[in-house]
Amino acid sequence: AQKVTQAQTEISVVEKEDVTLDCVYETRDTTYYLFWYKQPPSGELVFLIRRNSFDEQNEISGRYSWNFQKSTSSFNFTITASQVVDSAVYFCALRGYQAGTALIFGKGTTLSVSS
Amino acid sequence: DADVTQTPRNRITKTGKRIMLECSQTKGHDRMYWYRQDPGLGLRLIYYSFDVKDINKGEISDGYSVSRQAQAKFSLSLESAIPNQTALYFCATSDSGQGGGNGYTFGSGTRLTVV
Repeated sequence: AQKVTQAQTEISVVEKEDVTLDCVYETRDTTYYLFWYKQPPSGELVFLIRRNSFDEQNEISGRYSWNFQKSTSSFNFTITASQVVDSAVYFCALRGYQAGTALIFGKGTTLSVSS
Repeated sequence: DADVTQTPRNRITKTGKRIMLECSQTKGHDRMYWYRQDPGLGLRLIYYSFDVKDINKGEISDGYSVSRQAQAKFSLSLESAIPNQTALYFCATSDSGQGGGNGYTFGSGTRLTVV
């Protein structure tokens, strides 16, 4: 069975603080794909990143960075110098490699950034 | 026009009524999905279809049915709506490439309220 756990339900920070959103996953697949999505107050789902299990390189995109560690089954997301516009619900998701699998989501972390 | 279009965007219906949520896509993807989002529970998979002749139950299919009328259309029905089906519903598509291609494309969501 596949499972994604986002233990942090809500996080509140003040602008310019760095914040890390945790994601721990479970899968029996040796090849799999991990995703992060952002859901702003408007409600749409915004794709942020996809990471393949065979690529453990960390990734940085502007103020966003992702740390993938297979040894701990974690795919954490860090926002540096947070801004009010980062306030949203963030979802981590997992998809196995095998045909017949669908994207499984964690319960999400609500990030509130105040000015 | 949006790649994945959900109709209606908002709907209020009465308990016991039959309601259909529709999804159409112009991505040319063969895979389509219906998810339900409830506060604090993330997105949960209701049904998914990997081609027109393939329909699969997801985590929470009870009380729902689907129809894949064409590659581009995937509708979700609530045969007899009940209040705990009040939620935000998302349709999504993906290609059949291993790993989900470039990710999933989500519609803007349908907010359904059952009174």
